[in-house]
Amino acid sequence: AAGVIQSPRHLIKEKRETATLKCYPIPRHDTVYWYQQGPGQDPQFLISFYEKMQSDKGSIPDRFSAQQFSDYHSELNMSSLELGDSALYFCASGSPGQGIYGYTFGSGTRLTVV
Amino acid sequence: AQKITQTQPGMFVQEKEAVTLDCTYDTSDPSYGLFWYKQPSSGEMIFLIYQGSYDQQNATEGRYSLNFQKARKSANLVISASQLGDSAMYFCAMREVPMDSNYQLIWGAGTKLIIKP
Repeated sequence: AAGVIQSPRHLIKEKRETATLKCYPIPRHDTVYWYQQGPGQDPQFLISFYEKMQSDKGSIPDRFSAQQFSDYHSELNMSSLELGDSALYFCASGSPGQGIYGYTFGSGTRLTVV
Repeated sequence: AQKITQTQPGMFVQEKEAVTLDCTYDTSDPSYGLFWYKQPSSGEMIFLIYQGSYDQQNATEGRYSLNFQKARKSANLVISASQLGDSAMYFCAMREVPMDSNYQLIWGAGTKLIIKP
């Protein structure tokens, strides 16, 4: 069965650079969520999209932006990277209200800022 | 206030023994869902089991079962016959269904489970 695809798996950037993370949700899932997980931390919700529109916003810095495209893939753009942005970034897709198996996570992108 | 509490930061369990990972939650919404995820050292987040607030029976998925005690607001994960491959971080998470949110997950701090041979 198709899963949530995230790319790249690993990314190393220098401070003040920009990074773009991509997420390809499971077909027919209408919602995409982005989470940030720092070392030894639980995931923190960043932002979500429902049917290509931003639906909810969490603790996403102003330096970050995200969008969902017509093919439902989503991109998280991160500018002016800081050392503290080093984390595992997860994308999850689902169909809210459908209960069981509502969220499927990708394998994550491990971002290291040096 | 913490909405999801996992009181065990770490656990050591002997292989083949059963293990219970604790999770308590706090919500005033009558409709919610509870999830358990496994995160091995490789980092991916693996869905294990789900319990809906209106489900009458405890959820089971293979060796995983969820001990759902609604009145106590607890949703403990039970792993039967533990295996070395069960060593991982385990997260309990909750999805509320408030009017102004799009079903994002609220996470506990996690429990690091280590299975000893």
